[in-house]
Amino acid sequence: QLQLQESGPGLVKPSETLSLNCSVSGDSINRANYFWGWIRQSPGKGLEWIGCISYRGNTYYKPSLIGRVTISADTSKTQFSLKLSSVTPADTGVYYCARQVLEFYNYMDVWGKGTTVTVTS
Amino acid sequence: NFLLTQPRSVSASPGKTVTISCTRSSGSIASSYVHWYQHRPGSAPTTLIYHDDQRPSGVPDRFSGSIDSSSNSASLTISGLKTEDEADYYCHSYDITLVFGGGTKLTVL
Repeated sequence: QLQLQESGPGLVKPSETLSLNCSVSGDSINRANYFWGWIRQSPGKGLEWIGCISYRGNTYYKPSLIGRVTISADTSKTQFSLKLSSVTPADTGVYYCARQVLEFYNYMDVWGKGTTVTVTS
Repeated sequence: NFLLTQPRSVSASPGKTVTISCTRSSGSIASSYVHWYQHRPGSAPTTLIYHDDQRPSGVPDRFSGSIDSSSNSASLTISGLKTEDEADYYCHSYDITLVFGGGTKLTVL
């Protein structure tokens, strides 16, 4: 059964880079027709899609985050990663990784449990 | 891009039926699939409905989805409400990019 698990520092200083990993077990991130995405939820707000990487290694990002966000994959380690630079307190929230089906804009069928990141000095 | 507007909260009693709407601000609701997720605080979101009205295996048929072009909205209907259905519900669609609705808090009284 596919499982996703986020990991990374829970505290990040303003202006620094947030780095998270998502470990994938029970599937290969090379499997055709799947995309591997990051979604976050800021305190008191709804879900926000950050971006994803395809099984071919193509990346897709929320337009307003382009320039700050990088998603990459390590197929040998069956994990993919999120880097978000120049963070501010507005980047505080729970970060989820998820598998998306068929297209970068399509639905998520499996989610991780999420990891909390707080941006604070 | 467009917005997906959901009611902030809805409530109903156990055993009743509730419908959560998701209204698209511009462009046709029928032009892109709508998907629905359930999110209980502290847990991972789960997929309830994909491609407007399809249920993943394991999701009870108490949950159903539909779209209405006349109101340019999608709806999630939950019948036979249970206390365990109390959660936040999000719709999702796309145009240039992927968009989530603001979420609806369902209270089962």
